[in-house]
Amino acid sequence: RKEVEQDPGPFNVPEGATVAFNCTYSNSASQSFFWYRQDCRKEPKLLMSVYSSGNEDGRFTAQLNRASQYISLLIRDSKLSDSATYLCVVNNRGNTPLVFGKGTRLSVIA
Amino acid sequence: DGGITQSPKYLFRKEGQNVTLSCEQNLNHDAMYWYRQDPGQGLRLIYYSQIVNDFQKGDIAEGYSVSREKKESFPLTVTSAQKNPTAFYLCASTPTAHTEAFFGQGTRLTVV
Repeated sequence: RKEVEQDPGPFNVPEGATVAFNCTYSNSASQSFFWYRQDCRKEPKLLMSVYSSGNEDGRFTAQLNRASQYISLLIRDSKLSDSATYLCVVNNRGNTPLVFGKGTRLSVIA
Repeated sequence: DGGITQSPKYLFRKEGQNVTLSCEQNLNHDAMYWYRQDPGQGLRLIYYSQIVNDFQKGDIAEGYSVSREKKESFPLTVTSAQKNPTAFYLCASTPTAHTEAFFGQGTRLTVV
């Protein structure tokens, strides 16, 4: 089982749609969780951190389920500008680097 | 403004040549990382350094070398031993081991 696995893409959705991405992680000792956004030929940028209690930032909601070892990202009222690749990122215990999922590509269509 | 600067943005290498990619940060971060990304693929870890004068191999270190002589700098050398070096290279840093990573803008290396 890979350390971090994401939904296969691409997701093609119309403007205004709600879309959800899931990500599973294999290490139960993982401590920190993040969603990053990466535009084509650009560097990844932090979208939001994911907390145990869940967190929301405008149209974006992130949830963490430690028992089932998955995190999710919900995007409401999709915009054309949301088109990008979304990377699930996990940080394990100790001095180990962040582990990145392969990403899920989202295309929002007018 | 604080941030991570990678240079050059584009780099062309002839087969058999070594090239060095620069990564500088003024965020006072302890940890720095190098990732490689191939088209349509995720990020793969090449090397990382948690402290000056110390670094560890990542998942795909063969054909690469690094140094960490200063906290601000973590250059990556792509050697001739790396058989397929064409890729997008990303440098990142974190203040500690369990926080978000900040990325440079990347270097796109092409072998000609």
